[in-house]
Amino acid sequence: AQTVTQSQPEMSVQEAETVTLSCTYDTSESDYYLFWYKQPPSRQMILVIRQEAYKQQNATENRFSVNFQKAAKSFSLKISDSQLGDAAMYFCAYRSGGSQGNLIFGKGTKLSVKP
Amino acid sequence: NAGVMQNPRHLVRRRGQEARLRCSPMKGHSHVYWYRQLPEEGLKFMVYLQKENIIDESGMPKERFSAEFPKEGPSILRIQQVVRGDSAAYFCASSLQGNIMNTEAFFGQGTRLTVV
Repeated sequence: AQTVTQSQPEMSVQEAETVTLSCTYDTSESDYYLFWYKQPPSRQMILVIRQEAYKQQNATENRFSVNFQKAAKSFSLKISDSQLGDAAMYFCAYRSGGSQGNLIFGKGTKLSVKP
Repeated sequence: NAGVMQNPRHLVRRRGQEARLRCSPMKGHSHVYWYRQLPEEGLKFMVYLQKENIIDESGMPKERFSAEFPKEGPSILRIQQVVRGDSAAYFCASSLQGNIMNTEAFFGQGTRLTVV
């Protein structure tokens, strides 16, 4: 079975600085997708960024980028120029290429942004 | 264009009562997924439904839990004879197609169930 591990329960960053959130996963599949979701206090789950395993190029969305290391099964999220609005829980998620929508989530990392 | 609507946002039930959680997917979406989030945990998949069909219920507890997505109306997650361990946030997501990668899944704000 696939598993997703986020080893940092909490992280803190100074406003305008850069922070990296870690995520590792375990799978025997070759075709899969990886995601980072943001959950602010409102509890709304918001998709931040996604990565197809077959793509070597790391995904980027504005201030958010990933470092996808397929051999190491690592999928970290980098947030540049951190803003107060980035404070939230961040969840890493895995989806098998063959499944029909079942996402497997890590336990999350709580990010605080200091002004 | 309203997003995924879940109601109620908060639900309190006494042990042994029934809980009904509703999810109205985004307009045009015919795929619905339910997830449960326990305190200090990530979301755990429960069930995946299309209109009038259960596609994957591998994450559903074998007893007391059921889900439906009728031709008309919202998807319903039903928990019978609730126990304290059912207290959690329940999230619904919907997508246009079943392949969640090619079509983004949109999440509702969840229903927080408290069993007293």
